[in-house]
Amino acid sequence: GIQVEQSPPDLILQEGANSTLRCNFSDSVNNLQWFHQNPWGQLINLFYIPSGTKQNGRLSATTVATERYSLLYISSSQTTDSGVYFCAVPHPKAAGNKLTFGGGTRVLVKP
Amino acid sequence: AAGVIQSPRHLIKEKRETATLKCYPIPRHDTVYWYQQGPGQDPQFLISFYEKMQSDKGSIPDRFSAQQFSDYHSELNMSSLELGDSALYFCASSLNYGSPLHFGNGTRLTVT
Repeated sequence: GIQVEQSPPDLILQEGANSTLRCNFSDSVNNLQWFHQNPWGQLINLFYIPSGTKQNGRLSATTVATERYSLLYISSSQTTDSGVYFCAVPHPKAAGNKLTFGGGTRVLVKP
Repeated sequence: AAGVIQSPRHLIKEKRETATLKCYPIPRHDTVYWYQQGPGQDPQFLISFYEKMQSDKGSIPDRFSAQQFSDYHSELNMSSLELGDSALYFCASSLNYGSPLHFGNGTRLTVT
């Protein structure tokens, strides 16, 4: 199956700092999603980004499909940004959108 | 906007008991996915349904079964529960096969 690797595994930020999370995947994919899992366990959709760049408030994401990676940027981090960030891609052989998740980046934003 | 509804939010069962988890997808979404997330792990795909037919199967134990009903809601049935089944179970839905997934808040199952 497809391999999805995220880095760094853990990240501690001071409130207000910027950061970049990376997601590498081992095969060609036709879409990619970024999720934030908050401390209560909820999985929140951040981006559906097969390629290019998208922005949503203080968050933005870029996917370079030809080079098999995606980046998630967090600017001016806030304590509410704490949690685990997952990227997920569909299985290349699957007709649908069965997602394979990366191992996640655990982010802690300190006040 | 309407989201994916899962019930119950929490469930405590004993070993060898059965459990049923329910999922109500976003209206007009015809595809439902079930995921299992163990403590400290990433979500793992279990099974999916498209237009009420099973469309894909992942690492779902034989003790588990699922179906999608005519109103598109889905149920995950788990029998002979084991301690290792303790996890967060997510349901997700998508508008059609290939569209982005939207996850429910999950059901936290604890097996004692």
